[in-house]
Amino acid sequence: QVQLQESGPGLVKPSETLSLTCDVSGGSVSGYFWSWIRQPPGKGLEWIAYIHYTGSTTYSPSLKSRVTISVDTSKNQFSLKLTSVTAADTAVYYCARHRSSGFDYWGQGTLVTVSS
Amino acid sequence: QSALTQPASVSGSPGQSITISCTGTSSDVGGYNYVSWHQQHPGKAPKLIIYDVSNRPSGVSNRFSGSKSGNTASLTISGLQAEDEADYYCNSYTTITTVIFGGGTKLTVL
Repeated sequence: QVQLQESGPGLVKPSETLSLTCDVSGGSVSGYFWSWIRQPPGKGLEWIAYIHYTGSTTYSPSLKSRVTISVDTSKNQFSLKLTSVTAADTAVYYCARHRSSGFDYWGQGTLVTVSS
Repeated sequence: QSALTQPASVSGSPGQSITISCTGTSSDVGGYNYVSWHQQHPGKAPKLIIYDVSNRPSGVSNRFSGSKSGNTASLTISGLQAEDEADYYCNSYTTITTVIFGGGTKLTVL
């Protein structure tokens, strides 16, 4: 059974960089696309970026200038960096595996709060 | 890119059927058969229930079905059960290969 686990700081200061990692177990990152998706408290889902295991990336136009997604096949994980964060970036961040147009495996989510 | 449009809430009684719509444009929903639906219970990660308009992953009840006409996709839940009460999100690929979500629909089982 594939499992995804997000990890990273739960608190980030304004203007700093949010960094998260998603560890994949029970399966390989190879052969799939992988996404980061976030959900502000009490709000809906927002897609951030996806990456193919080969390293090809696609970003949300609204976040593209601040986001970097990367993959490390040797560690079976992929990562997210979001720069110059503000309070508006406070959200539960999920990592997920693509199944065609949907996402069939999700991490449990990690709450990242942006505050000084 | 603007979020896909979903009704904020829908409701139904046990045993009834309900339909949730997801409206986009020819640049997303209408452009491809790449629409999915996810169910999210409070405090939980979303769960994939329909992908590529009408396909159900293994283990998902056949009470869930999906369809599309033009720029609008629909999720139908038949034989409503109390456990179906949740938030439902559609998403689509776009013509520039990005992903866009709907705003979400809260389903209440009366």
